[in-house]
Amino acid sequence: KAGVTQTPRYLIKTRGQQVTLSCSPISGHRSVSWYQQTPGQGLQFLFEYFSETQRNKGNFPGRFSGRQFSNSRSEMNVSTLELGDSALYLCASSGGLQETQYFGPGTRLLVL
Amino acid sequence: QKEVEQDPGPLSVPEGAIVSLNCTYSNSAFQYFMWYRQYSRKGPELLMYTYSSGNKEDGRFTAQVDKSSKYISLFIRDSQPSDSATYLCAANTGNQFYFGTGTSLTVIP
Repeated sequence: KAGVTQTPRYLIKTRGQQVTLSCSPISGHRSVSWYQQTPGQGLQFLFEYFSETQRNKGNFPGRFSGRQFSNSRSEMNVSTLELGDSALYLCASSGGLQETQYFGPGTRLLVL
Repeated sequence: QKEVEQDPGPLSVPEGAIVSLNCTYSNSAFQYFMWYRQYSRKGPELLMYTYSSGNKEDGRFTAQVDKSSKYISLFIRDSQPSDSATYLCAANTGNQFYFGTGTSLTVIP
């Protein structure tokens, strides 16, 4: 079974731009969560989608948004990028019992 | 107070040593407990997960949960240089996942 995939793997943007990241969960998984990881803050929860609905949301500004499609693929959008948005963005998917999450390789975003 | 607390280390041990990694948590509603290994510039990789209290063993790795003291442990026997990574503990209410900040481990040949 293929794992969680994320595209693109690397991205360089400038302040004020927007970016869209994509995540394809493990086949059959309907829950997709997004995290921001930085050296100082560790893993910070952004939001979780389940069956195209946002089910949980972390403490991030409205510039961070997401959506999930009917095939469970998910996208995350960050508008008006700031230098502090430079991070590794991780997507994780869960199966029906939600007992654990499986992570993708991440998208490394650098904002200049 | 964070839901899951983890000593960030760094931890440095000689090859062959037994490594003990630990986390504490505060939420009694946590049902599932996980350990992830993350190599530099990679996504976290699930090592093992346990449900409720008890031990779970997988090769050189043993995960232990003590719900009475809200303590999560990962033991690595016969540590190898390839075990050098950051180890993240996590817990789950069945609704949302909470992660420790990770412990950086270096195994010296």
